[in-house]
Amino acid sequence: DVKVTQSSRYLVKRTGEKVFLECVQDMDHENMFWYRQDPGLGLRLIYFSYDVKMKEKGDIPEGYSVSREKKERFSLILESASTNQTSMYLCASRPILGPTLANYGYTFGSGTRLTVV
Amino acid sequence: AQKVTQAQTEISVVEKEDVTLDCVYETRDTTYYLFWYKQPPSGELVFLIRRNSFDEQNEISGRYSWNFQKSTSSFNFTITASQVVDSAVYFCALRGLIQGAQKLVFGQGTRLTINP
Repeated sequence: DVKVTQSSRYLVKRTGEKVFLECVQDMDHENMFWYRQDPGLGLRLIYFSYDVKMKEKGDIPEGYSVSREKKERFSLILESASTNQTSMYLCASRPILGPTLANYGYTFGSGTRLTVV
Repeated sequence: AQKVTQAQTEISVVEKEDVTLDCVYETRDTTYYLFWYKQPPSGELVFLIRRNSFDEQNEISGRYSWNFQKSTSSFNFTITASQVVDSAVYFCALRGLIQGAQKLVFGQGTRLTINP
């Protein structure tokens, strides 16, 4: 089974801290995604990456950056954490040949619940 | 722009009742894909179904069924004889072929509670 692993299930950080959320997938997927989940808003795309060192902004990139130095790892960075970034963050990956699969190839991690105090 | 609307924020029913979760979408793409996901308390999104825009056939899988109607831009999900294990947050999602290619656009989610 494809696994997408997010390093922390729960995180508590202080306002102004630099925060790293890590995501690792073990199936050589080219595409990786970071979503933010808030009640009443569903999941919103922050950033995605087509391949190593490639990244593209999603719908809500402000206040975030990403890094993809290796194919299996996609990091979300909060340069200076703020209380309005308190949320659940979900990582996902997908192979290039995803459309050939019933689920389109998307596999999600279990999420990191971040609280900024 | 692409948009998915799940107007029902929360639904609560008694076990064995049938329940329908609504999903309405907007897209300018002529080819697109619709998905339903289940999110149990553990947090990960579990894939339930994918429907292609050119295939309007309804689908049934055990107690689950999906009604895709292009004329009303709806992709509703029905659980028959609900069980406590069906309690979760359910998301409808859309992926266009051209617009917003590569990304899934999600609805707001519907929290379903099945009471024993």
